[in-house]
Amino acid sequence: EVQLVESGGGLVQPGGSLRLSCAASGFTFSDHYMDWVRQAPGKGLEWVGRTRSKASGYTTEYAASVKGRFTISRDDSKNSLYLQMNSLKAEDSAVYYCARVGVTTIQGAYYYSLDVWGQGTTVTVSS
Amino acid sequence: DIQMTQSPSAMSASVGDRVTITCRASQGISNYLVWFQQKPGKVPERLIYAASTLQSGVPSRFSGSGSGTEFTLTISSLQPEDFATYYCLQHNSYPLTFGGGTKVEIK
Repeated sequence: EVQLVESGGGLVQPGGSLRLSCAASGFTFSDHYMDWVRQAPGKGLEWVGRTRSKASGYTTEYAASVKGRFTISRDDSKNSLYLQMNSLKAEDSAVYYCARVGVTTIQGAYYYSLDVWGQGTTVTVSS
Repeated sequence: DIQMTQSPSAMSASVGDRVTITCRASQGISNYLVWFQQKPGKVPERLIYAASTLQSGVPSRFSGSGSGTEFTLTISSLQPEDFATYYCLQHNSYPLTFGGGTKVEIK
């Protein structure tokens, strides 16, 4: 069974740091791009960022709202994804989901879209 | 950044109704669009990808259409388990962007 399990959430003061983890199982983790998505309480979904696979150079992309403060990394030997969050602000409070990026080929075009999500971990930034 | 505008933001409908949700992109995204369903307290689930391809296991009453800047998600006959919030997501270019969501409530 394909599974993603996030951990590491909690209460942190503004300006503080937190590291989230996502443990993957049931699929070949190293083959997949992986994303982080967040959802503030009562709000919609916001894409946070992406790490590509080793084959694509482990390169990363970020939303403007987190660029320079958050860092996405992965350890394929541990089937794990990470989100290092620094200089946290109140507006970073949210449920953070990790999600697998599935690849589908349709008529020669490649579609990279989020196909499996973890249950999420809650981050609260407050003094 | 590409802005995704979803409409309506909320709606009331009855079981058996045909429901249409629209997502408009601020610039062309070909068909790099995904629809998700999220029930209260639950994780989002992919319904449709590549704008019109139904995710395996999703009931055929769900369908997606569109290309370029305008997309629709249609539920042909709303069922009790379909009351949820629906989101579109463009993945044509970075940063990926979600629509604001459409909450479908029971009338």
